[in-house]
Amino acid sequence: EPEVTQTPSHQVTQMGQEVILRCVPISNHLYFYWYRQILGQKVEFLVSFYNNEISEKSEIFDDQFSVERPDGSNFTLKIRSTKLEDSAMYFCASHRRSVHSYEQYFGPGTRLTVT
Amino acid sequence: DAKTTQPPSMDCAEGRAANLPCNHSTISGNEYVYWYRQIHSQGPQYIIHGLKNNETNEMASLIITEDRKSSTLILPHATLRDTAVYYCIVRPLTDSWGKFQFGAGTQVVVTP
Repeated sequence: EPEVTQTPSHQVTQMGQEVILRCVPISNHLYFYWYRQILGQKVEFLVSFYNNEISEKSEIFDDQFSVERPDGSNFTLKIRSTKLEDSAMYFCASHRRSVHSYEQYFGPGTRLTVT
Repeated sequence: DAKTTQPPSMDCAEGRAANLPCNHSTISGNEYVYWYRQIHSQGPQYIIHGLKNNETNEMASLIITEDRKSSTLILPHATLRDTAVYYCIVRPLTDSWGKFQFGAGTQVVVTP
């Protein structure tokens, strides 16, 4: 069964450093998402991406964040200058564009630790 | 604003049915009820969704009341692997590829 994959599984970085989190969505999916979950808190939407542009973003997704689909398979989330409060699990999700397909498929997540 | 209300936690015995309630008293006519679950820090997993009719798949059954103000997710024979946080989410049909807004969910613990 196809699945969303994410790398790395755990990333440790120092405050102020740039990080890139990588995701490989399911191959025939056209909509892509990033969510995050701070330890012990809710899963929060960050951004959705379709047709090589952002469809929607939350208030969390400020100028420090960017997303890119650099090729036909990868979908990346970049944080330019990490802060302590960026420590969280980051989940990538993808969706097949079909009115009969309602579920988003989530990856296993990348645990980002900012020290 | 919370669109759904779920109990924070519930226990269930292995092999028994788990009935997870959800209140969505302000649901609109074009909003679906979705259920996802999250097993210990893994990515959320889709379970089932419905509009007004009861639905069943290989994972669970979804019972929606006639007035659509509440629903129940039924795991027919709970196993230890069903221990997870279960999220009930309402979302418009027209937003079928938009974001999901997760609440706190119900922590379900299945015990031997």
